[in-house]
Amino acid sequence: AQKVTQAQTEISVVEKEDVTLDCVYETRDTTYYLFWYKQPPSGELVFLIRRNSFDEQNEISGRYSWNFQKSTSSFNFTITASQVVDSAVYFCALSEGGAGGTSYGKLTFGQGTILTVHP
Amino acid sequence: NAGVTQTPKFQVLKTGQSMTLQCAQDMNHEYMSWYRQDPGMGLRLIHYSVGAGITDQGEVPNGYNVSRSTTEDFPLRLLSAAPSQTSVYFCASSQDLNTGELFFGEGSRLTVL
Repeated sequence: AQKVTQAQTEISVVEKEDVTLDCVYETRDTTYYLFWYKQPPSGELVFLIRRNSFDEQNEISGRYSWNFQKSTSSFNFTITASQVVDSAVYFCALSEGGAGGTSYGKLTFGQGTILTVHP
Repeated sequence: NAGVTQTPKFQVLKTGQSMTLQCAQDMNHEYMSWYRQDPGMGLRLIHYSVGAGITDQGEVPNGYNVSRSTTEDFPLRLLSAAPSQTSVYFCASSQDLNTGELFFGEGSRLTVL
């Protein structure tokens, strides 16, 4: 069975600090997809990134970067120079690939990390 | 762009009452799913559908029914509400996640007294 663990329940930082959110996953599939979603105080779920298991390249998008390491089953998320608007709950999620690599949108979510950025 | 639309956004029920959470998407996605969000537990899959006429159970299906008569709609039914079903419910849709993302509705907050 697949599992996602976000060991950090809450993180508190001061604006402009860098912060890394950890995500460790378990799966027996060789084809799978990893995601990060942001849930701001308004409650909606905002898609941040998707990564498939065959692409271990790290990715950077503005102040956001992701480090995918299959050797340690981790998909960590770093926010550089954090801002108050980054305050949210962040979820890491995993979806196993079905036949032919198709994924049916069945995500297993971690427990979420509450990030608070203080001015 | 409507995306995934859920109604109602808020609902209060008494134990034993029934209700239906509505979900509609206008992106012609084959895959639709329902999740519930509880504090400290992330989101958990209730039921999902891979196309019209096809549904299956997720991680926490007990107490919930679904049907998928059209591609667009995927209602979630609570036949006899219990306080343990107090939660925030999210409907989501996707095409193949190899090429796309899972799109979520805005959520429905349900309280069962």
